[in-house]
Amino acid sequence: SQTIHQWPATLVQPVGSPLSLECTVEGTSNPNLYWYRQAAGRGLQLLFYSVGIGQISSEVPQNLSASRPQDRQFILSSKKLLLSDSGFYLCAWNQYSYEQYFGPGTRLTVT
Amino acid sequence: GQQVMQIPQYQHVQEGEDFTTYCNSSTTLSNIQWYKQRPGGHPVFLIQLVKSGEVKKQKRLTFQFGEAKKNSSLHITATQTTDVGTYFCAGPPQGAQKLVFGQGTRLTINP
Repeated sequence: SQTIHQWPATLVQPVGSPLSLECTVEGTSNPNLYWYRQAAGRGLQLLFYSVGIGQISSEVPQNLSASRPQDRQFILSSKKLLLSDSGFYLCAWNQYSYEQYFGPGTRLTVT
Repeated sequence: GQQVMQIPQYQHVQEGEDFTTYCNSSTTLSNIQWYKQRPGGHPVFLIQLVKSGEVKKQKRLTFQFGEAKKNSSLHITATQTTDVGTYFCAGPPQGAQKLVFGQGTRLTINP
């Protein structure tokens, strides 16, 4: 069966520091991968999605970037964090249908 | 772009009461999905509706897809404390692999 992993689970970073969040999927090949951000008590904001290695679609052109160096690996990065980057970051995958399966998420606090 | 609206934003009920959340899309959807996010957790896929006028049931949960495929509802009969969480609807924009999520309805229950 397929599983999706995210790490770290929680992160506290100072303003201006870099960020790297990792997501990996096991048990499948060539999944579609997604990064979402959820502010406290709010909905899901799609940040990036990828339908294949090296293919990234950006939904929110802020100070974040995404990369897909391997088929089942999706990385979210920032060179300099802002206070407004705080939130719950969720990675999700799907393949042959629209339903998405989410990872456990990373809670990021920028101080 | 496509917008998905959900009402109400919050709903508090007594245990045993019924609960309904409504979802409306600005465009016709090929399918609509529902997710549940428990407090502190990640969204979990519940169901997908595809056909116009479709009704599906999962125990005490009833999901409907409108005849025009632009609206949907989730009804919970006789709520239990395990139903606490935020319920999201989501649908794909025309020709896109991604999903657009509603803002969610947060359900709290008084035992």
